[in-house]
Amino acid sequence: DSGVTQTPKHLITATGQRVTLRCSPRSGDLSVYWYQQSLDQGLQFLIQYYNGEERAKGNILERFSAQQFPDLHSELNLSSLELGDSALYFCASSVDGGSNQPQHFGDGTRLSIL
Amino acid sequence: SQQGEEDPQALSIQEGENATMNCSYKTSINNLQWYRQNSGRGLVHLILIRSNEREKHSGRLRVTLDTSKKSSSLLITASRAADTASYFCATASIPYNQGGKLIFGQGTELSVKP
Repeated sequence: DSGVTQTPKHLITATGQRVTLRCSPRSGDLSVYWYQQSLDQGLQFLIQYYNGEERAKGNILERFSAQQFPDLHSELNLSSLELGDSALYFCASSVDGGSNQPQHFGDGTRLSIL
Repeated sequence: SQQGEEDPQALSIQEGENATMNCSYKTSINNLQWYRQNSGRGLVHLILIRSNEREKHSGRLRVTLDTSKKSSSLLITASRAADTASYFCATASIPYNQGGKLIFGQGTELSVKP
């Protein structure tokens, strides 16, 4: 058990809809990362937060947004969903968000767009 | 876009044999990390090797890094059926204090037969 909690585990919705994925980091970790895993794109970094502030940005679409709250949990919002957004979305956390640290991953949210 | 190319894409061995997976990357790095992913689960951090290190051991794992060739290898000795999983290399390329973004390879699917 990594200590990172993601909810929900599964999400099925339709094109054009909006969903929110939630992540609670490991106790003591200040930084949260979001990744997308799909068969065609592999594992892609989306965005990183450290102590409530955005730290690094990757291949995140404009339709997607995220934030980290004062209690350090994070939410990833996906809107105007398209079929191609179907993927596994992972949250990871690390102690202080620097690059020389391991990241601890949750079990992901599997998003299916019908 | 992905940084790493992993080789082989799939590997099938018998229990007790050694498994070697290779990873090549394109840009200069701060460190390289290896992760394991069991089917449908989150990634588990295995080992981190810094750019100024050449070899690192952890239990049955041995990782080497050759920055001149931009490549790394992961050796699992005396493999067990429980080692069956996908293995990913990930590189951290940006300065430590600018975030912990990881770029993942496509992964090697390891199957260990009892």
